[in-house]
Amino acid sequence: LAKTTQPISMDSYEGQEVNITCSHNNIATNDYITWYQQFPSQGPRFIIQGYKTKVTNEVASLFIPADRKSSTLSLPRVSLSDTAVYYCLVGDVYGGATNKLIFGTGTLLAVQP
Amino acid sequence: DTGVSQDPRHKITKRGQNVTFRCDPISEHNRLYWYRQTLGQGPEFLTYFQNEAQLEKSRLLSDRFSAERPKGSFSTLEIQRTEQGDSAMYLCASSWTRDRETQYFGPGTRLLVL
Repeated sequence: LAKTTQPISMDSYEGQEVNITCSHNNIATNDYITWYQQFPSQGPRFIIQGYKTKVTNEVASLFIPADRKSSTLSLPRVSLSDTAVYYCLVGDVYGGATNKLIFGTGTLLAVQP
Repeated sequence: DTGVSQDPRHKITKRGQNVTFRCDPISEHNRLYWYRQTLGQGPEFLTYFQNEAQLEKSRLLSDRFSAERPKGSFSTLEIQRTEQGDSAMYLCASSWTRDRETQYFGPGTRLLVL
């Protein structure tokens, strides 16, 4: 499974746009990129998933360049409640023997007033 | 559906005791995963089930750990002869493999072994 690298922490202020970049140089052809959010003492929550170009939902946008060796999670106008750890994962989401998720240490986003 | 649920949310036990955790997945989901998370780390895969079959176990899952999923519905994770190193958050996730698979996590069970 592809290894991912992302910043350990980021700081922001309320109302700003936050971009968290993840590197995955060894991403495989069948791999998708998935981002999860985790608050303290809670399980991770699925945010967004994509394969290439741009994906947008009601929570975030995901930008994936043509070579797919990196991806950027974009959170528009963050609020204090967006303070959490954000995990970037890559893997084949269409089956196979197992789709166990391989988490890194994630990016701790701290949003200040 | 209210999502994945886990019981208990917290458990404190003494070293050497046995503990059992329960996970109720989203009802139509055929896959169920167990993960363990220690402070400051991301979740680590332990084992997973497709329906009632346990298809993979991590090396993290020592012989003191056992998981079951009778009838392909809820699952239990038992730890025998607990050790202080077992203290962690135990997370359960479920998914449906028909389409693009997305895992949905429960709130976790936090275990403290004294």
